[in-house]
Amino acid sequence: EPEVTQTPSHQVTQMGQEVILRCVPISNHLYFYWYRQILGQKVEFLVSFYNNEISEKSEIFDDQFSVERPDGSNFTLKIRSTKLEDSAMYFCASSKERANYGYTFGSGTRLTVV
Amino acid sequence: EDQVTQSPEALRLQEGESSSLNCSYTVSGLRGLFWYRQDPGKGPEFLFTLYSAGEEKEKERLKATLTKKESFLHITAPKPEDSATYLCAVQRGNTPLVFGKGTRLSVIA
Repeated sequence: EPEVTQTPSHQVTQMGQEVILRCVPISNHLYFYWYRQILGQKVEFLVSFYNNEISEKSEIFDDQFSVERPDGSNFTLKIRSTKLEDSAMYFCASSKERANYGYTFGSGTRLTVV
Repeated sequence: EDQVTQSPEALRLQEGESSSLNCSYTVSGLRGLFWYRQDPGKGPEFLFTLYSAGEEKEKERLKATLTKKESFLHITAPKPEDSATYLCAVQRGNTPLVFGKGTRLSVIA
């Protein structure tokens, strides 16, 4: 069964450093998403991406965050200057359709900012 | 603002003891309601999508139902391997999924 692959599975970074989280969505999916989950809290939407541009973003997705699809397979989330409160699980998801279709999530990257 | 409230927060069942999880939602123009399973340290795993009131979907020991205000996930004769957090999410129009906090289910042998 097709999977969404995320790397790395764990990342520890110093406060103020830049991190890039990587994702390989399912190959025939067109819509891509980043969500995050702070420990013990709910899964929160960050950004959606379609046709090489951001289609929607939440209030969490401020200027510190950016997304990119550098080639035909990878989808990345960059955090420019990490803060302690950025520590969370970050999930990438992809979908074949924009609506009426369940998203497929990756296993996540656990980001710890120290 | 779309709201999704799941109850209970945690549920402990004996193996074979059937029960239901609740997802109440406030969404204008619901496009779909989604149920996911999440194991510790993993991403959500898709279970069901429900689109209209009265609809039901089944998968093994799980059955999901939908009304105009809430959805239920019924678990019949659960087994320890059903232990997980069950997440409900809603979609309004073409907007991204909005998740509830989940119900943490423990099934004891």
